[in-house]
Amino acid sequence: GQSLEQPSEVTAVEGAIVQINCTYQTSGFYGLSWYQQHDGGAPTFLSYNALDGLEETGRFSSFLSRSDSYGYLLLQELQMKDSASYFCAVRDSQAGTALIFGKGTTLSVSS
Amino acid sequence: DGGITQSPKYLFRKEGQNVTLSCEQNLNHDAMYWYRQDPGQGLRLIYYSQIVNDFQKGDIAEGYSVSREKKESFPLTVTSAQKNPTAFYLCASSIARDSAYEQYFGPGTRLTVT
Repeated sequence: GQSLEQPSEVTAVEGAIVQINCTYQTSGFYGLSWYQQHDGGAPTFLSYNALDGLEETGRFSSFLSRSDSYGYLLLQELQMKDSASYFCAVRDSQAGTALIFGKGTTLSVSS
Repeated sequence: DGGITQSPKYLFRKEGQNVTLSCEQNLNHDAMYWYRQDPGQGLRLIYYSQIVNDFQKGDIAEGYSVSREKKESFPLTVTSAQKNPTAFYLCASSIARDSAYEQYFGPGTRLTVT
């Protein structure tokens, strides 16, 4: 089966950099996605990595190492509005065209 | 404005009743998905549909049913057979099956069954 592991909570201060790790176990890996969800809201797509390496989108970057079954989301210049839950998700051949989500990491940013 | 709508935002039902959650999208997306989210948990896949008149079970399909008669609509019925139906239900869509990595979510329906 598939499984994803990510830390349950991370805390940081405004202006800092934080890294949220995700390790996965799947049977036919296609790629790793990241989503942000504010409390009570809808998840929104942040990034996707199908190949090894770093993808940068503004203050957010995402990294993937297929050989290590590992990825991370890097958030720079943290702002209070970044306080949210962050989910990694994989698409693999067993899940068909759907995504399998991790349990999420709650990021708390303080001033 | 294009997007996904789910209604209602809050829904209350008595145990033993079936209830249908609405999901409509005007993004012209082929694929649609239903997830369940419990407090402090990730999203768990209930059902998904790649095209009209076709749908597949996800990890936790027991006690749920869906239909996909129109491209823009993917309603979810929570039946009385679902043991713990109280949860936050999220509907999503993607352009096509190969674009499942980027899904667009509706605002969700919070269902409470007592």
